[in-house]
Amino acid sequence: DQQVKQNSPSLSVQEGRISILNCDYTNSMFDYFLWYKKYPAEGPTFLISISSIKDKNEDGRFTVFLNKSAKHLSLHIVPSQPGDSAVYFCAASGATNKLIFGTGTLLAVQP
Amino acid sequence: NAGVTQTPKFRILKIGQSMTLQCTQDMNHNYMYWYRQDPGMGLKLIYYSVGAGITDKGEVPNGYNVSRSTTEDFPLRLELAAPSQTSVYFCASSIGQGMNEQFFGPGTRLTVL
Repeated sequence: DQQVKQNSPSLSVQEGRISILNCDYTNSMFDYFLWYKKYPAEGPTFLISISSIKDKNEDGRFTVFLNKSAKHLSLHIVPSQPGDSAVYFCAASGATNKLIFGTGTLLAVQP
Repeated sequence: NAGVTQTPKFRILKIGQSMTLQCTQDMNHNYMYWYRQDPGMGLKLIYYSVGAGITDKGEVPNGYNVSRSTTEDFPLRLELAAPSQTSVYFCASSIGQGMNEQFFGPGTRLTVL
């Protein structure tokens, strides 16, 4: 039972355009959501997070949107850069404080 | 600060062999975690620890053991390795629970043949 789903295994975007990565979850008790970025042969690195009391959080080129009624969050990267090419994982936590990860989306930003 | 370090980077084991994956963090974090990532999958929690001397099972603990004798170290032991344990293993740490990001090590790629 996949509680956190990233239905797009890959995404290709032109440099300078917007990248939108999507994530859906099934557990309404999740109250904290994070995005991690992972380069090959490296560990995931934290990118941005959002609490369930908010619907938007912004950090530079990265914005995360949370739609609790739809159990959906998205990560927007504007403008996209070639260095953003990586696998992006969505993760969620609730009362257990354990992170549940999605399967990841491979973003390729074309120069 | 080195952050979270893991050794070895790569290892090939034969079925039935045992090994210990090492993890050390220098951020004085109380919480430490072990995950495995299989191809095309997300990270699955194997074990975690909320402090020295305290460990608990995650989602996929079978075939593994852990110990936490110090704040810094959180080794993962594989007994009787099986091909199903072929994976990339990540160790992580965080200050506490709740709304705290986890910091990950670079991973150990393990192949069991």
